[in-house]
Amino acid sequence: TQLLEQSPQFLSIQEGENLTVYCNSSSVFSSLQWYRQEPGEGPVLLVTVVTGGEVKKLKRLTFQFGDARKDSSLHITAAQPGDTGLYLCAGSTGGFKTIFGAGTRLFVKA
Amino acid sequence: KAGVTQTPRYLIKTRGQQVTLSCSPISGHRSVSWYQQTPGQGLQFLFEYFSETQRNKGNFPGRFSGRQFSNSRSEMNVSTLELGDSALYLCASRAGTSSPYQETQYFGPGTRLLVL
Repeated sequence: TQLLEQSPQFLSIQEGENLTVYCNSSSVFSSLQWYRQEPGEGPVLLVTVVTGGEVKKLKRLTFQFGDARKDSSLHITAAQPGDTGLYLCAGSTGGFKTIFGAGTRLFVKA
Repeated sequence: KAGVTQTPRYLIKTRGQQVTLSCSPISGHRSVSWYQQTPGQGLQFLFEYFSETQRNKGNFPGRFSGRQFSNSRSEMNVSTLELGDSALYLCASRAGTSSPYQETQYFGPGTRLLVL
């Protein structure tokens, strides 16, 4: 069974702090996606990484795909209250299934 | 372009009843996937439909079924509801002609189902 484990499950920080969220698996993925979900909404895609070692930046967010394509991290610099939400990682194996992690719930206090 | 729409947004049912949820994908998208989201289990894949055929299925009991119409709209049905079926049910659409990692999947806002 393929599993994606996210850590931490919950994070409460002050505005301006940095944070890193991790997504780990024993399986190799063709690609990994990061989503953000806000209350009352469905997840919204932030980024897709496909190459081992790949690093992508989206403003204050930096995403990295592990060299072996089994893990990924999301780093947020100078977090803002607008970053509050549930961050989900999802892995695709090349078939037509996508497996989601349980998510990291981030709360940024002003 | 309109996004993915789901109806109803909220639903309260009692144990033993059945429920039908509806999803309208983005225009032109032929793939619709359904997911169940709960605090304990996270997002779990139910099934995917493409061109009116079920293309993939997750590990859910037969009480969970779906179908897709010729206009790509999809419905999901849950029969003999159990308390544990309380969840947010999300549908997502994509073009469906390539692997998931090659296409962006767009989610609807979900239907929140409460089973009493």
